[in-house]
Amino acid sequence: GENVEQHPSTLSVQEGDSAVIKCTYSDSASNYFPWYKQELGKGPQLIIDIRSNVGEKKDQRIAVTLNKTAKHFSLHITETQPEDSAVYFCAASIEGNDMRFGAGTRLTVKP
Amino acid sequence: DAGITQSPRHKVTETGTPVTLRCHQTENHRYMYWYRQDPGHGLRLIHYSYGVKDTDKGEVSDGYSVSRSKTEDFLLTLESATSSQTSVYFCAISESSYGYTFGSGTRLTVV
Repeated sequence: GENVEQHPSTLSVQEGDSAVIKCTYSDSASNYFPWYKQELGKGPQLIIDIRSNVGEKKDQRIAVTLNKTAKHFSLHITETQPEDSAVYFCAASIEGNDMRFGAGTRLTVKP
Repeated sequence: DAGITQSPRHKVTETGTPVTLRCHQTENHRYMYWYRQDPGHGLRLIHYSYGVKDTDKGEVSDGYSVSRSKTEDFLLTLESATSSQTSVYFCAISESSYGYTFGSGTRLTVV
């Protein structure tokens, strides 16, 4: 089955800096890659996703890039704010089925 | 989380007892999922459903069973709880198998 690895496990940045979280996947057939944000005591919330027919997608301060050849994808957050502090999960799947998640990255934005 | 509720939110049970967790949705979504979240493992799929009475196993299904007799309800049962099943359990729903919406989770402790 699909295996997703996520790095780093913890990330600390200063407010206003950029943050980058990277994930690799093992199954070349995977074609859907969402990112979730989980705040303390809550369930994960979808923040952005990308499908294998595009290489990059942006939504305001967040962007995701995908390198199908290398089988890795990354989340980029620019101009970080304290409210961006949370645990972020990447995931990979084939057509949204049997979604496999990374272990998570705890992002701390210091004011 | 709008449209999806999990009950109970917290539960402490003894080893060997049966436990049922409930997920209820008001979105009429076709797909429902049960995940467990453990430190260092991210989210792992236990079982999922793609329609009433249509269910399938996920990555970590041993020791768990599910039932879906109505579109809105998806039950997860631990037939005989063990300490290794101490975890936070999340239910998720989706219409097209993309873009999951997660519930707020159930924290289960098996003593």
